[in-house]
Amino acid sequence: EPEVTQTPSHQVTQMGQEVILRCVPISNHLYFYWYRQILGQKVEFLVSFYNNEISEKSEIFDDQFSVERPDGSNFTLKIRSTKLEDSAMYFCASSVRQINQPQHFGDGTRLSIL
Amino acid sequence: GESVGLHLPTLSVQEGDNSIINCAYSNSASDYFIWYKQESGKGPQFIIDIRSNMDKRQGQRVTVLLNKTVKHLSLQIAATQPGDSAVYFCAETLGYQLIWGAGTKLIIKP
Repeated sequence: EPEVTQTPSHQVTQMGQEVILRCVPISNHLYFYWYRQILGQKVEFLVSFYNNEISEKSEIFDDQFSVERPDGSNFTLKIRSTKLEDSAMYFCASSVRQINQPQHFGDGTRLSIL
Repeated sequence: GESVGLHLPTLSVQEGDNSIINCAYSNSASDYFIWYKQESGKGPQFIIDIRSNMDKRQGQRVTVLLNKTVKHLSLQIAATQPGDSAVYFCAETLGYQLIWGAGTKLIIKP
């Protein structure tokens, strides 16, 4: 069964450094998403992406965050200058359509900011 | 405030019994709902979905019930197995994003 894959599984970064989290969505999916889950808290929406542009973003997704689809398969989340509070699990998801279709998730990247 | 929430943070069920996990939502405009299962160290796994024009939907061993009058969603798992141990999240769609509940941890007693 096709699945969303994320790399790395765990990323440790010094505060203030840039980090790039990588995702390979399911190949025939057109909509891509990033979510995060701080330890012990709910999953929170960050951003959705379609047709090479952001379609929606949350208040969390400030100027420090950016997303990119550099080629036909990868979807990346960049945090320019990491803060301690960026420590969380980051999940990538994709869906065939935006409306009334389940989003399928990868197993996440655990980001630890020191 | 929260758009989606869960009544119980932890549910313990005897193996073989049926499990019922509940969820309340507050956005009456939501028209699509999903249940996800999250095992330790893994991402959320899609279980079943339901659209607002339906009251009930069945899958393999799982049933989702939607009561729009009281804005309540439930997930029923038949003949609960040890592999069902996980945190279960309900989510509603709002625009492009999923709004998640807090999650219910399902514990299976042998």
